[in-house]
Amino acid sequence: QKEVEQDPGPLSVPEGAIVSLNCTYSNSAFQYFMWYRQYSRKGPELLMYTYSSGNKEDGRFTAQVDKSSKYISLFIRDSQPSDSATYLCAMSINKFYFGSGTKLNVKP
Amino acid sequence: ETGVTQSPTHLIKTRGQQVTLRCSSQSGHNTVSWYQQALGQGPQFIFQYYREEENGRGNFPPRFSGLQFPNYSSELNVNALELDDSALYLCASSLEGDANQPQHFGDGTRLSIL
Repeated sequence: QKEVEQDPGPLSVPEGAIVSLNCTYSNSAFQYFMWYRQYSRKGPELLMYTYSSGNKEDGRFTAQVDKSSKYISLFIRDSQPSDSATYLCAMSINKFYFGSGTKLNVKP
Repeated sequence: ETGVTQSPTHLIKTRGQQVTLRCSSQSGHNTVSWYQQALGQGPQFIFQYYREEENGRGNFPPRFSGLQFPNYSSELNVNALELDDSALYLCASSLEGDANQPQHFGDGTRLSIL
């Protein structure tokens, strides 16, 4: 069983839609949770960094962590074509574990 | 603020050869981690360097080795290259050797093994 599971997509939505991206994990020891965005031929770019359970909001992005269910989510409001990218979840306990990424396409 | 820079951008090698990849950390960051990202997969942790010492290692064989220099830049060396080593190699920098600090990535070196 992989440490972190993420649906690879692709996920295709119209511009302006609310996007929900999710990851599940198996190791209850994870304390730090992150979301990265990766454009084609680029390195991952940090979007959100959270500690333990709860919600965190930054502009159009909201990250949620539910440690009891071992489930994390990233919501994107008012999605834009420029949001089209691969979204990677990551979590750490002394080293980072990444999901395989969900490819998102926002259609104009 | 200078971000993480990696060189070269692309590299083609043949099986059995050796390769060295280079990374300059983001200004103010003294910790460097290396990751391997296969096509369609997330990055996999190779190892981390802090104060010129290895500070954690993932499930990679000893033919993957590294160095960190006093200016915090780093090298990844891979010996006896195999076809499965074809991947994007990412360098990430962070603060103070804390393995849980957010990683800031460069754009990677794409390595192709023929």
